[in-house]
Amino acid sequence: EPEVTQTPSHQVTQMGQEVILRCVPISNHLYFYWYRQILGQKVEFLVSFYNNEISEKSEIFDDQFSVERPDGSNFTLKIRSTKLEDSAMYFCASRTGTSDHEQYFGPGTRLTVT
Amino acid sequence: TQLLEQSPQFLSIQEGENLTVYCNSSSVFSSLQWYRQEPGEGPVLLVTVVTGGEVKKLKRLTFQFGDARKDSSLHITAAQPGDTGLYLCAGVRWGNSGGSNYKLTFGKGTLLTVNP
Repeated sequence: EPEVTQTPSHQVTQMGQEVILRCVPISNHLYFYWYRQILGQKVEFLVSFYNNEISEKSEIFDDQFSVERPDGSNFTLKIRSTKLEDSAMYFCASRTGTSDHEQYFGPGTRLTVT
Repeated sequence: TQLLEQSPQFLSIQEGENLTVYCNSSSVFSSLQWYRQEPGEGPVLLVTVVTGGEVKKLKRLTFQFGDARKDSSLHITAAQPGDTGLYLCAGVRWGNSGGSNYKLTFGKGTLLTVNP
């Protein structure tokens, strides 16, 4: 069964460093998302992406964040200068088409900023 | 104020018991999805309900979407230890489906423990 994959599973970085989190969405899906979950808190929307552009972003998704689909399979989230408060699980999700509500999530990348 | 309130927050029951968990809001949703999440893993989609009043069954799990599309429930019959996990409801708010965005708003979840 097709699934969303994410790498790495765990990333440890120092404050101020850049990190890139990678996702491979399900192959026939057209809509892509990043969410994050701070330990003990609920899952929060960061950004949605369709047709090679951001369709919506939350207030969390400031200028330090960017997303890219560099090729036909990968979808990346870059944090330019990480802060301690960026420590969280980051989930990628994807969805097929216009009227399909179902989003499928990857296993997540645990980002630890020290 | 939480947009999606899930209750109870924690539930510990014995194997074989029935249970219901709730997801409530004052807002209308285009759809609600139920996910199950294990520690350190991503949410796994269980079901999507789209039509007000809709009932969907997945083996021993029954999901219902409220008539007004503001609430949903998950009922588990004869719970088993394998049902243990965090159950999350997440919805697409009415009006957020415009432009095909469909961003999800999540509740905090119900942590279910089924004891053998």
